[in-house]
Amino acid sequence: KAGVTQTPRYLIKTRGQQVTLSCSPISGHRSVSWYQQTPGQGLQFLFEYFSETQRNKGNFPGRFSGRQFSNSRSEMNVSTLELGDSALYLCASSLIGQQADSWIYNSPLHFGNGTRLTVT
Amino acid sequence: KNEVEQSPQNLTAQEGEFITINCSYSVGISALHWLQQHPGGGIVSLFMLSSGKKKHGRLIATINIQEKHSSLHITASHPRDSAVYICAVRSYRDDKIIFGKGTRLHILP
Repeated sequence: KAGVTQTPRYLIKTRGQQVTLSCSPISGHRSVSWYQQTPGQGLQFLFEYFSETQRNKGNFPGRFSGRQFSNSRSEMNVSTLELGDSALYLCASSLIGQQADSWIYNSPLHFGNGTRLTVT
Repeated sequence: KNEVEQSPQNLTAQEGEFITINCSYSVGISALHWLQQHPGGGIVSLFMLSSGKKKHGRLIATINIQEKHSSLHITASHPRDSAVYICAVRSYRDDKIIFGKGTRLHILP
């Protein structure tokens, strides 16, 4: 089974530009979550999608957005890039189920290798 | 105060030693994850726990829900275990995932 694939692996952008990152989950996984990793802040949760709907969102400005397609692939977009957005962006997929009003977490998080974004 | 605290931050040990990394959290959780990240490498999930104890090879993870505490143990440590170990919890209240700052482990041959 193929793992989680993130593209591109590296990106260099200029302040003020926007960027789109892509994540293809493991086949059958409908949950995709995104994270930012920096030396100073460590790993931080950005948002999570399930069946094309955003389930929750971390404490990031509105410049950070995402979406999920019907095939579970997900993209995240950062507009008006700032120097502080330089980071490793990771996505993870997992199996999540629903039972009545509860969410069932059936599997660990499977991470992609990340996209390293440098903003100059 | 961070909602997920790990200790120690850094740990250097000799090959063969028994290693313990601790994680304390202050929120109600649906699940707790132990992750491993090698330098320049991706993140690998080691365990997902919601209760009790799990074992995989030389790795053991335990969780005490009442005390809001989890431990990751490595038996017979080896230089290839050198990595950053990260504890993460899924908050029961809002389903967000909260990470600890990580424990940098260095095993000397």
